Amino acid sequence: GAVVSQHPSRVICKSGTSVKIECRSLDFQATTMFWYRQFPKQSLMLMATSNEGSKATYEQGVEKDKFLINHASLTLSTLTVTSAHPEDSSFYICSCISSGNTIYFGEGSWLTVV
Amino acid sequence: KQEVTQIPAALSVPEGENLVLNCSFTDSAIYNLQWFRQDPGKGLTSLLLIQSSQREQTSGRLNASLDKSSGRSTLYIAASQPGDSATYLCAVCYNNDMRFGAGTRLTVKP
Repeated sequence: GAVVSQHPSRVICKSGTSVKIECRSLDFQATTMFWYRQFPKQSLMLMATSNEGSKATYEQGVEKDKFLINHASLTLSTLTVTSAHPEDSSFYICSCISSGNTIYFGEGSWLTVV
Repeated sequence: KQEVTQIPAALSVPEGENLVLNCSFTDSAIYNLQWFRQDPGKGLTSLLLIQSSQREQTSGRLNASLDKSSGRSTLYIAASQPGDSATYLCAVCYNNDMRFGAGTRLTVKP
């Protein structure tokens, strides 16, 4: 079964609204979680690294005020796409590192902004 | 700069054929390397994980090899089936970071 749960798997929202995506580690505590996005026919790109209890570290070119990341507990990180626009439509996926240094991925979230 | 390249970008083969997907990476100081498959509209499925100390891993019809010195990994699929049609992603894990290739889009024709 899945060890990392990501929700929602699909979301369609209107332009200008905010969308929250949750990433939960089910069987372990994850001090570090990663958020990626993927545009069609392109590779997954790291957006930010999320550490429990501290501010996320964003990759160059990723707007931290646009993509709000909260990692309030050892099992939950959230990504909020604020004031979403059609160009934010993408596949967003999280990953978590277990204590054994194995990386597990969520199922991913398809965001469509209309 | 840590770059991961996958060749070919797309591959179409008849059912039953054996095939090889290639992944190359520029920084050989890797922690491990993973192969994933991604079906259209769905998330990633982990196929094989090779630790930096390992040379290969096998699971069913899949075999992945790792040559750190040359910065290469291959995914070998034996006796391909239409159900193998998907995009295959190579991900190279460095210390607390992971870099992905752009993927190889595989189509296995019945």
